[in-house]
Amino acid sequence: AQTVTQSQPEMSVQEAETVTLSCTYDTSESDYYLFWYKQPPSRQMILVIRQEAYKQQNATENRFSVNFQKAAKSFSLKISDSQLGDAAMYFCAYRSPSGTASKLTFGTGTRLQVTL
Amino acid sequence: GAVVSQHPSRVICKSGTSVKIECRSLDFQATTMFWYRQFPKQSLMLMATSNEGSKATYEQGVEKDKFLINHASLTLSTLTVTSAHPEDSSFYICSAKKGLAGGYEQYFGPGTRLTVT
Repeated sequence: AQTVTQSQPEMSVQEAETVTLSCTYDTSESDYYLFWYKQPPSRQMILVIRQEAYKQQNATENRFSVNFQKAAKSFSLKISDSQLGDAAMYFCAYRSPSGTASKLTFGTGTRLQVTL
Repeated sequence: GAVVSQHPSRVICKSGTSVKIECRSLDFQATTMFWYRQFPKQSLMLMATSNEGSKATYEQGVEKDKFLINHASLTLSTLTVTSAHPEDSSFYICSAKKGLAGGYEQYFGPGTRLTVT
């Protein structure tokens, strides 16, 4: 079974600064998908960014980018120019490519605080 | 867009009663829906996978007779918590996947907070 580990329960960043959230995973599969989700106080899960394992290029979405290291099974999220609205719980998630009906396995989450 | 709604957003029920939570995909057809449970300050735990027109697939340790799931149409799945007890109090979240070849993205509902007194 796949596991996802987020070793940082809480992180803090100053507004306009950059922060990196860590995520590692364990799998024996060669093809899979990785995601970062944001859960603000409203509890609504919001997809931040996704990465296909077969793609070597790191995904980028505006201020959000990932550092995907397949051999190391690492998938960190970098938030640049942090904003107050970025404060939330961030979950890293893994999905197998097939045969599992798109099941997501989530990490335990990192709570991000953004300070002035 | 891909919008998923849940109803109700909050529900309080007495111990021993049953409560139904609805999950609807508003602007797309969802052949597969997922039900998660989230305890305070914890991650999402998948309870079951619901496929339209067939029986749900439950994760290990989830009581299928207690958490009844019905995916009767391509836009609606329901979770019924039967004979609820205080330990069933939690935040329940559904998600939906577009179509059979709808890619890998799940769209999440806003969640339902269940409190059993």
